[in-house]
Amino acid sequence: EAGVTQFPSHSVIEKGQTVTLRCDPISGHDNLYWYRRVMGKEIKFLLHFVKESKQDESGMPNNRFLAERTGGTYSTLKVQPAELEDSGVYFCASSQVGGSADTQYFGPGTRLTVL
Amino acid sequence: AQSVAQPEDQVNVAEGNPLTVKCTYSVSGNPYLFWYVQYPNRGLQFLLKYITGDNLVKGSYGFEAEFNKSQTSFHLKKPSALVSDSALYFCAVRDFAGNAGNMLTFGGGTRLMVKP
Repeated sequence: EAGVTQFPSHSVIEKGQTVTLRCDPISGHDNLYWYRRVMGKEIKFLLHFVKESKQDESGMPNNRFLAERTGGTYSTLKVQPAELEDSGVYFCASSQVGGSADTQYFGPGTRLTVL
Repeated sequence: AQSVAQPEDQVNVAEGNPLTVKCTYSVSGNPYLFWYVQYPNRGLQFLLKYITGDNLVKGSYGFEAEFNKSQTSFHLKKPSALVSDSALYFCAVRDFAGNAGNMLTFGGGTRLMVKP
């Protein structure tokens, strides 16, 4: 069974540009999460989809970040315009059932560098 | 609010010796606790979790963790370390009651270095 995949693995852009990250969850997983780790700090939650609906977007830092999951399959996270402080590793995770006991399975992450 | 502390940025251990990576947590209700490992240039890999029941949880690659409610800890252990265990380890917590939704709250990570 294929795991969570993310594209691209690395992205280097200049401040003010736009970047779109993609996540493909494990097949059959309705729950999809985005997290990020900035500057070697803690991994922080961004948002949670259940199918195509945003269940919780309390961790989204500001309106420069837009996440979508059209059709309830893959998800994209767009940063527009990117700022220097957006640099970090963006992780996607998916889980089957949801709920507190559910295990989230993570992808390899996308390393974003904003110059 | 829920939080996790990993008090050691790095743990050094010799191959063959036992290892412990420490984690303490804070939640408003009962916790669900997780350990993940990140190998170089790889994503986060699930190791084990505590949901309920036996306080000693066994996971992948010979790792285990002990839930201690009175000390609010969930330390990761392995009886005999391997060089290949060298990686970054993350402890995470979720509130049983779902007071913070389904989000995981992570500690800052502990780098484990196992030397031959």
